[in-house]
Amino acid sequence: GAGVSQTPSNKVTEKGKYVELRCDPISGHTALYWYRQSLGQGPEFLIYFQGTGAADDSGLPNDRFFAVRPEGSVSTLKIQRTERGDSAVYLCASSLTPDNEQFFGPGTRLTVL
Amino acid sequence: ELKVEQNPLFLSMQEGKNYTIYCNYSTTSDRLYWYRQDPGKSLESLFVLLSNGAVKQEGRLMASLDTKARLSTLHITAAVHDLSATYFCAADSLDSWGKFQFGAGTQVVVTP
Repeated sequence: GAGVSQTPSNKVTEKGKYVELRCDPISGHTALYWYRQSLGQGPEFLIYFQGTGAADDSGLPNDRFFAVRPEGSVSTLKIQRTERGDSAVYLCASSLTPDNEQFFGPGTRLTVL
Repeated sequence: ELKVEQNPLFLSMQEGKNYTIYCNYSTTSDRLYWYRQDPGKSLESLFVLLSNGAVKQEGRLMASLDTKARLSTLHITAAVHDLSATYFCAADSLDSWGKFQFGAGTQVVVTP
């Protein structure tokens, strides 16, 4: 069956611009997660949704980052006033419930020039 | 705050030999996950360990969990080139299920 999909696969933007990254989880998975992975490091937790609500957003680095999941399926990670330090691979994962195995998407590579 | 430490961070393996990657975590958790990541690719789930003493095996890889020692090991038997990748362990804690804390990863290179 279809796995987690993310679009775009690559995004290049200029410092100060706004970007949106999209995640389409596995059908039926209630929990959705966003992570950020910098080169040579492990993924770093950003936020997780249970259904439509953000159950834990403690990993969002600052108020430039925001995520939504309005219908409990697709999620969008939004970054305002991008900075060069935001450059990383943004990974999305989903799981059947929060206490289940997480399945990861291919990621979006964000480059801020 | 949950901390997860892996070692070694880099492992050069000779084909045919056995090796172990270690994953220590800092707070009470009964669950530990192992993932594999190939260069430029996403994370592939290898093992889910859900209780003390859990042992799982798939091909040349075997993972175990000791919750009392807060330690998981990933053992590689008779390494082959196809196992070259970066391996991550991840844990979540009792009061924040789903919020994975990943180790820094172990980059494995298998040479003839």
